[in-house]
Amino acid sequence: EIVLTQSPGTLSLSPGERATLSCRASQSVKNNYLVWYQQKPGQAPRLLIYNTSNRATGIPDRFSGSGSGTDFTLTISRLEPEDFAVYYCQQYGSSPRTFGQGTKVEVK
Amino acid sequence: EVQLVESGGGVVRPGGSLRLSCAASGFRFDDYGMSWVRQAPGKGLEWVSGINWNGRTTDYGDSVKGRFTISRDNAKNSLYLQMNSLRVEDTAFYYCARGIDGYNWNDYWGQGTLVTVSS
Repeated sequence: EIVLTQSPGTLSLSPGERATLSCRASQSVKNNYLVWYQQKPGQAPRLLIYNTSNRATGIPDRFSGSGSGTDFTLTISRLEPEDFAVYYCQQYGSSPRTFGQGTKVEVK
Repeated sequence: EVQLVESGGGVVRPGGSLRLSCAASGFRFDDYGMSWVRQAPGKGLEWVSGINWNGRTTDYGDSVKGRFTISRDNAKNSLYLQMNSLRVEDTAFYYCARGIDGYNWNDYWGQGTLVTVSS
């Protein structure tokens, strides 16, 4: 199975700052089939980005995704208070689907 | 409004069995694949299983293959997860999620049901 490694484990930033989250795959992700989710404490995950770079319905344009092959990035251009959460990448290019271990974005 | 409501969680002894259910509403159930994703308390997400719209294609994560079985009843708008030979490490919140492009990724999630495997 494809192992996804997210870095850093925790990102300490202030509101208004830019956040850059990395997701690295153990092998190339077919067709760059990768999504990003956001999860807040006590809540189910929320879809942010699909197919590497497409924002889901209702997701603000401060969220953007990029990458290809084995290296993918989620960028939050200017952190809003509601963006502090845990972010997960997930690949669906190969069976079984797999998640990264998550990156926590916390208030500095 | 899309709604997914899981049920069937509880406490079970190691080696035991449990069947989870997910009741779907607010969308045409048989148009979508579905998934189960779990999360141990305080840990990350783990993909468990997926099923296509008609139930003929299924897939499992390596840690549950051979022990868990996913199924669906489109007439009842329901998804199921039969869990056998449960282990302590299966303890987690289990989320039901609507699949896109089969069960490749998920756009709506339930609130989860807790399964605790303990002696």
